[in-house]
Amino acid sequence: GAGVSQSPSNKVTEKGKDVELRCDPISGHTALYWYRQRLGQGLEFLIYFQGNSAPDKSGLPSDRFSAERTGESVSTLTIQRTQQEDSAVYLCASSLGPISYNEQFFGPGTRLTVL
Amino acid sequence: AQSVSQHNHHVILSEAASLELGCNYSYGGTVNLFWYVQYPGQHLQLLLKYFSGDPLVKGIKGFEAEFIKSKFSFNLRKPSVQWSDTAEYFCAVNAKRASGTYKYIFGTGTRLKVLA
Repeated sequence: GAGVSQSPSNKVTEKGKDVELRCDPISGHTALYWYRQRLGQGLEFLIYFQGNSAPDKSGLPSDRFSAERTGESVSTLTIQRTQQEDSAVYLCASSLGPISYNEQFFGPGTRLTVL
Repeated sequence: AQSVSQHNHHVILSEAASLELGCNYSYGGTVNLFWYVQYPGQHLQLLLKYFSGDPLVKGIKGFEAEFIKSKFSFNLRKPSVQWSDTAEYFCAVNAKRASGTYKYIFGTGTRLKVLA
């Protein structure tokens, strides 16, 4: 079947605008993750959804960042009032089960540029 | 705070050379360990993983990694690299927190370039 897909692949926005990034996980995967990768840096965990449990939002850097997931399907990551330091590649991943022991399957990422 | 260190940021090797990429983590509790690889123009994908048992794990494409608990290390090795191994390699640790939940922590990555 299809892998994890993300849209848009590239997004250029002006400082202060809101952006919405979308992730379609692999069908049947109960867990979904968002990461941020700034240029030359590693993956920074943002948020984790597992089934119907409350999401782990411990990685969200500020209250400008939020994410939602409908059931075990699509997720959207919203960044309000974007800042230049938000420029990064935003990666989504999904896994078959809980974070504790499952391999993550990554999408291609959304490259966000804030001017 | 938990962290994962990959000390080699850029590595350049000739084909057939041996490879070892270092990965050290700072966490004393229960961990699961992973290496992910990102080939040029492709998604991140799993190379190998360690949960328990034999500390020497074998992955795809001839890669292996050894978990040394006393050194908090999970180094990646390959006896003879190929040009197609040119990629960025990420070490990741899945750490169990005091709350019982888990958290994925990635290293900053190592860019490997193999010269033909």
